[in-house]
Amino acid sequence: EAQVTQNPRYLITVTGKKLTVTCSQNMNHEYMSWYRQDPGLGLRQIYYSMNVEVTDKGDVPEGYKVSRKEKRNFPLILESPSPNQTSLYFCASYSVNTEAFFGQGTRLTVV
Amino acid sequence: AQSVSQHNHHVILSEAASLELGCNYSYGGTVNLFWYVQYPGQHLQLLLKYFSGDPLVKGIKGFEAEFIKSKFSFNLRKPSVQWSDTAEYFCAPPRADSNYQLIWGAGTKLIIKP
Repeated sequence: EAQVTQNPRYLITVTGKKLTVTCSQNMNHEYMSWYRQDPGLGLRQIYYSMNVEVTDKGDVPEGYKVSRKEKRNFPLILESPSPNQTSLYFCASYSVNTEAFFGQGTRLTVV
Repeated sequence: AQSVSQHNHHVILSEAASLELGCNYSYGGTVNLFWYVQYPGQHLQLLLKYFSGDPLVKGIKGFEAEFIKSKFSFNLRKPSVQWSDTAEYFCAPPRADSNYQLIWGAGTKLIIKP
């Protein structure tokens, strides 16, 4: 079954404690993206990747890092989380001329 | 800057009413266009897509959308909504500088009263 798997689904952490949200896809898609979703703001792109070792900033990259060492994985790293990064995060993967497939989402709370 | 505009942020309808949600994007050219739906507490999933050909496309659950190139629009329609259509709907055209990155509208929250 085609899927994008994100972990964890829910995470509560404290300010400054590094965390990683994992994302894995099984469709051999070239493109992967991370979004955050906040009420009234829609989806905002954090980072995206066009292939292995190729990443670029989206609209709101500050405070986040990503890596793409393998085609299937695209982890999102918060080196020093802050309360304004409390949000719902989605990973997505897609290829040229396909729709985006989304993970189940990670609800992050930073206290 | 490239943008996408969803005209209504909140829509409340009764069951069996007809629905039309507007989506306009700010640039022309060849585009792939998408509508996604997010049911409460769930992730986004594809509702329908337009790549080429017939500008009237049909999606899941009785939804359809029409691409009008001259108006830069891709409005979503459904003749008769159901309570289960309560969800948030997102229009997503691609950025003009790359056909593979999407611009997301702010979303329309649709509430269907039983």
